[in-house]
Amino acid sequence: SQKIEQNSEALNIQEGKTATLTCNYTNYSPAYLQWYRQDPGRGPVFLLLIRENEKEKRKERLKVTFDTTLKQSLFHITASQPADSATYLCALVKTSYDKVIFGPGTSLSVIP
Amino acid sequence: DTAVSQTPKYLVTQMGNDKSIKCEQNLGHDTMYWYKQDSKKFLKIMFSYNNKELIINETVPNRFSPKSPDKAHLNLHINSLELGDSAVYFCASRSKWDTQYFGPGTRLTVL
Repeated sequence: SQKIEQNSEALNIQEGKTATLTCNYTNYSPAYLQWYRQDPGRGPVFLLLIRENEKEKRKERLKVTFDTTLKQSLFHITASQPADSATYLCALVKTSYDKVIFGPGTSLSVIP
Repeated sequence: DTAVSQTPKYLVTQMGNDKSIKCEQNLGHDTMYWYKQDSKKFLKIMFSYNNKELIINETVPNRFSPKSPDKAHLNLHINSLELGDSAVYFCASRSKWDTQYFGPGTRLTVL
């Protein structure tokens, strides 16, 4: 069955460093992959989408890579700030009308 | 100018009761979803509607019945509530660029 794993449940990092979160999947061939941010008591908020034919996407301090051979996506936050502390979810989709499968999330804490 | 709204935000009820959660989106999207996020924070899809038509039903007990009166609304009715139904329920809509917009969630507690 399809499985998505995110590198760890929790990740602590010093302010100013680059946070790297990992999303691995098995038994799935997504057309694209998304990253969302979720703050406590709130719904997930979309951050970035990367398609299977794209290697890398950037948005301000965020960068996503997608390796369909390794079945892995890396999500980087450069110059991390305490305000970046949240849970980050990766999500896989096969087609536009297919269900979205979410990973378990990684809770990121950026320490001042 | 909230994009996706849900009511109520909190719902506390007794086992065996029937309850409804309402969702509305003002983004003009054709596709809407219901997700359940359990205590372990896993977000699982329950239902998906496209233009009022059910397109995904993820092995959810038939005590859960979604209803879409129009493409801006997707409500969730739950019969005979059980303890295991306690969770946060999120409504979402999907843009044509495949990004999802989530509502603030409804925290359901079944006593």
